[in-house]
Amino acid sequence: DAGVIQSPRHEVTEMGQEVTLRCKPISGHNSLFWYRQTMMRGLELLIYFNNNVPIDDSGMPEDRFSAKMPNASFSTLKIQPSEPRDSAVYFCASSSDANTEAFFGQGTRLTVV
Amino acid sequence: QKEVEQDPGPLSVPEGAIVSLNCTYSNSAFQYFMWYRQYSRKGPELLMYTYSSGNKEDGRFTAQVDKSSKYISLFIRDSQPSDSATYLCATRRGGGADGLTFGKGTHLIIQP
Repeated sequence: DAGVIQSPRHEVTEMGQEVTLRCKPISGHNSLFWYRQTMMRGLELLIYFNNNVPIDDSGMPEDRFSAKMPNASFSTLKIQPSEPRDSAVYFCASSSDANTEAFFGQGTRLTVV
Repeated sequence: QKEVEQDPGPLSVPEGAIVSLNCTYSNSAFQYFMWYRQYSRKGPELLMYTYSSGNKEDGRFTAQVDKSSKYISLFIRDSQPSDSATYLCATRRGGGADGLTFGKGTHLIIQP
């Protein structure tokens, strides 16, 4: 398996623009997580899905952030409008219910100027 | 106060030394405890996980959990320059679909 695949790897955008981050989880995994990593706050859970259903979105910072999982093999995290303080590395991870290991993607490095 | 506290370092030790990395946590509901390793510009990868209190050993790595003191440790024996990375402790409340709570990570440097 290719692992968790995220795209794009790098994104530079201007303040106010819409940004969409994409994730393909490992085939057969039914839990998907979005995390954000910054120097100041470390890795923070934004939202997680189980069987394509959002279970806990309490980590989503503002209404500008939204996430969807239309099917078991694809998820998006959207920021609209983007702000410079959204600059961070965004990670997607997936796991199966049967074990506790979450596998992470390589991340998307977002810079909002 | 964050739920999981971890000294960010950097921690610099000579090659071959024993390394001790530690975290404390505040939520008694945490049941699973993990250590992830993250190389620069890469995603975290799982090194060790334990359930409840106790020790777990895997090669040069040993993970310890003391739930009575809410203390998590990772020991690395015979440290190598390739062990240089950021080490993140993480916890979760239950098995299956439950998000992880991470420490901020300790940056470890092994000097050749």
